[in-house]
Amino acid sequence: SRELTQPPSVSVSPGQTASITCSADKLDNSYTSWYQQRPGQSPVVVIYQHNKRPSDIPERFSGSISGNTATLTISGTQTMDEADYYCQAWDSRTNVVFGGGTKLTVL
Amino acid sequence: QVQLVESGGGVVQPGRSLRLSCAASKFTFSGYAMHWVRQAPGKGLEWVACISYDGSKKSYPDSLKGRFIISRDNSKNTLYLEMNTLRSEDTAVYYCAKDRGSSGRNFFDSWGQGTLVAVSS
Repeated sequence: SRELTQPPSVSVSPGQTASITCSADKLDNSYTSWYQQRPGQSPVVVIYQHNKRPSDIPERFSGSISGNTATLTISGTQTMDEADYYCQAWDSRTNVVFGGGTKLTVL
Repeated sequence: QVQLVESGGGVVQPGRSLRLSCAASKFTFSGYAMHWVRQAPGKGLEWVACISYDGSKKSYPDSLKGRFIISRDNSKNTLYLEMNTLRSEDTAVYYCAKDRGSSGRNFFDSWGQGTLVAVSS
């Protein structure tokens, strides 16, 4: 089955740009989505279909895809963005796959 | 605003069964696929099951197939997860999540608050 690999942690200073990658053996025929999970809260989608942003998500969140690597970028990172981030895709058997998650620290 | 409220969690002994429910409101429940996703303490997200809008298609990861059963009652706007032969490694917060589409191959656009299942003797 497909595996999605994320870095366990990323650190960024307030106001700077944070990038979180999600690598797979193959991402063909599968959109990627990204979820933010703040401590003690349920996940929230911040990016879907590689690079679309829900209307209630700030513009500083963006997504991209290059080959078999999807990237979540947070421009002008704020302290409120400190959270765990998970990428998600589908494998060839239409099963859901999550990445292992990345803890974003803003300091 | 979509509302998803899980219930049915608690402490259960290994080998026993448990049924979780997810009450949905403020959207047309019968039009969307639904999922269960779990998160063990301090761990990442793990997909558990998916059911299509009309209940005709169900899917599970190989690791859970045969022990967990997803179902829905569109007349009651409720999603269910029946968990059998529970093991300590099933201890987790269980979330129900709404799919963006009807078949279940989109993304999760709404999540419930989760219900904790603890498997312990």
